[in-house]
Amino acid sequence: AQKVTQAQTEISVVEKEDVTLDCVYETRDTTYYLFWYKQPPSGELVFLIRRNSFDEQNEISGRYSWNFQKSTSSFNFTITASQVVDSAVYFCALSEASFGNEKLTFGTGTRLTIIP
Amino acid sequence: ETGVTQSPTHLIKTRGQQVTLRCSSQSGHNTVSWYQQALGQGPQFIFQYYREEENGRGNFPPRFSGLQFPNYSSELNVNALELDDSALYLCASSSRQGWVTEAFFGQGTRLTVV
Repeated sequence: AQKVTQAQTEISVVEKEDVTLDCVYETRDTTYYLFWYKQPPSGELVFLIRRNSFDEQNEISGRYSWNFQKSTSSFNFTITASQVVDSAVYFCALSEASFGNEKLTFGTGTRLTIIP
Repeated sequence: ETGVTQSPTHLIKTRGQQVTLRCSSQSGHNTVSWYQQALGQGPQFIFQYYREEENGRGNFPPRFSGLQFPNYSSELNVNALELDDSALYLCASSSRQGWVTEAFFGQGTRLTVV
């Protein structure tokens, strides 16, 4: 069975600080996909990144960066120079790598509050 | 915006009633998945539809059922509502053209069962 653990329930940081959201996963699959989604108060889940298990390169997109470490089954998400608009609940998710299978197993989320 | 629309946005039902939630998928997407998100929890996979057939189901009882139409829109039906069915129901659409792609979510329907 697949499992995603986000141990940080809530995090608060002052604007412009850097913040890292942790994600640890469990799966018996050798090939799988990892995702991060942002959920603002409106409720819609906003896709941030997808990473397959073969690609352990870190990725940077503007102020966002992701660190994938297969050895520790972690896929952490860092926001640099945080802004108030980053306040939201962030979910890490895992999917098996079946053709066209988009079934996602989500963690319980981390509520991030950026204090102005 | 993702182009995935759900209706209604909010709904209040009485225990024992039946409810139908609707989802219009993003243009070009042929796969729709439904998730239930209880307060303070992550979304839980209910089931997925591809070309009008159920293709994968999570740990939900048979009173949760669905449909996908030729235009790829979808409905989620829940019979004999229970208080624990109160949640945000999210629909996600994706394009099954290869290996796992990102799913695009709608804003959800918040169901309250009283």
